[in-house]
Amino acid sequence: EPEVTQTPSHQVTQMGQEVILRCVPISNHLYFYWYRQILGQKVEFLVSFYNNEISEKSEIFDDQFSVERPDGSNFTLKIRSTKLEDSAMYFCASRGGGVVADTEAFFGQGTRLTVV
Amino acid sequence: GNSVTQMEGPVTLSEEAFLTINCTYTATGYPSLFWYVQYPGEGLQLLLKATKADDKGSNKGFEATYRKETTSFHLEKGSVQVSDSAVYFCALRYILTGGGNKLTFGTGTQLKVEL
Repeated sequence: EPEVTQTPSHQVTQMGQEVILRCVPISNHLYFYWYRQILGQKVEFLVSFYNNEISEKSEIFDDQFSVERPDGSNFTLKIRSTKLEDSAMYFCASRGGGVVADTEAFFGQGTRLTVV
Repeated sequence: GNSVTQMEGPVTLSEEAFLTINCTYTATGYPSLFWYVQYPGEGLQLLLKATKADDKGSNKGFEATYRKETTSFHLEKGSVQVSDSAVYFCALRYILTGGGNKLTFGTGTQLKVEL
């Protein structure tokens, strides 16, 4: 069964450092997402990506964040200068289908980011 | 804005017990409602969904009914198993302009089932 894979499963980084979280979505999917969950809090939407551009982003997704699909298979989330409050579980998701399609989003297993 | 509220966990049950995990939502219009499950070490998986009022979603013995009048989508299972131990997330979704289709999640409820 096709699946979304995320690497690494756990990353520890020092405050102020750049970090790149990687995701390989399901190959024929068109829509890509990043979500995060700070420990004990809700899973929050960060950004959606379609046709090589951001289609929506939340207030959390400020200038420190960026996304790329550099090679047609990977989908990355970059945090330029990490802060302690960026510590969270980050989930990547992808979805197939057309513009208004009731298709399921498939999630990766998550990357736990710890900023120290 | 839109939001989802779930009962706090962990919920600890004995095998074969009846499960209810409460979920209520705040939203305008008519969102679709979902339950996702996360087993240890795995990603979020869609468990069931309902797209309109009074719809019942069901899968693997779990059920949830979309109740517009109470804005609820409670998850139930008649007889839980140890293998049901996981974190359960309630979520809602609107179709965005351009088809972005983002999900709004609750905090998740951890279920532990013991022998």
